[in-house]
Amino acid sequence: DAGVTQSPTHLIKTRGQQVTLRCSPKSGHDTVSWYQQALGQGPQFIFQYYEEEERQRGNFPDRFSGHQFPNYSSELNVNALLLGDSALYLCASSHLAGGPSSYNEQFFGPGTRLTVL
Amino acid sequence: GEDVEQSLFLSVREGDSSVINCTYTDSSSTYLYWYKQEPGAGLQLLTYIFSNMDMKQDQRLTVLLNKKDKHLSLRIADTQTGDSAIYFCAGGRGGATNKLIFGTGTLLAVQP
Repeated sequence: DAGVTQSPTHLIKTRGQQVTLRCSPKSGHDTVSWYQQALGQGPQFIFQYYEEEERQRGNFPDRFSGHQFPNYSSELNVNALLLGDSALYLCASSHLAGGPSSYNEQFFGPGTRLTVL
Repeated sequence: GEDVEQSLFLSVREGDSSVINCTYTDSSSTYLYWYKQEPGAGLQLLTYIFSNMDMKQDQRLTVLLNKKDKHLSLRIADTQTGDSAIYFCAGGRGGATNKLIFGTGTLLAVQP
């Protein structure tokens, strides 16, 4: 099992451009969450996808959008890039099972390092 | 609101115990987690504790939870140089709403 994979590893863009980041979840997982980790900070929740729908969203502008495909893989799109979007973008996958308070471990990928110039 | 705070830096000698502390404001967190992040890497789950527990031990790791004070700690016994990394505490509600709220991270430096 390859675990959670993300592509690309690194990416350099200029302000105003658009970017797409990709994530393949761990085998057997159906839920993908995206986090942004700015330098020297903890990860911040962007949004979560389950059954191809956005289920939860953190405090991020509409420039951040996503998609989940039938095979559970996911994309994160960021439009009109700003310098402040430079960060490590982490994808995490889990399997939603059990009741409202059930334990669902999230497995993190290695991340995509986005630099906006 | 949701806020998780950690001290920024901890330095210990190899073989000593390390204690990393965390305070959180969201009392609705059902699970509290400790993650490890090595340079250039993603997050590795070390351990977690259910909110109705006070303590959990897992080999060299001991987690203590004081729910009244909203204080969480991670003790690493016999700290090794390979333990040098950034440690994040995080809270989550479990189930379908399992978004994680992370702290700012504590850099643990282990001196040989």
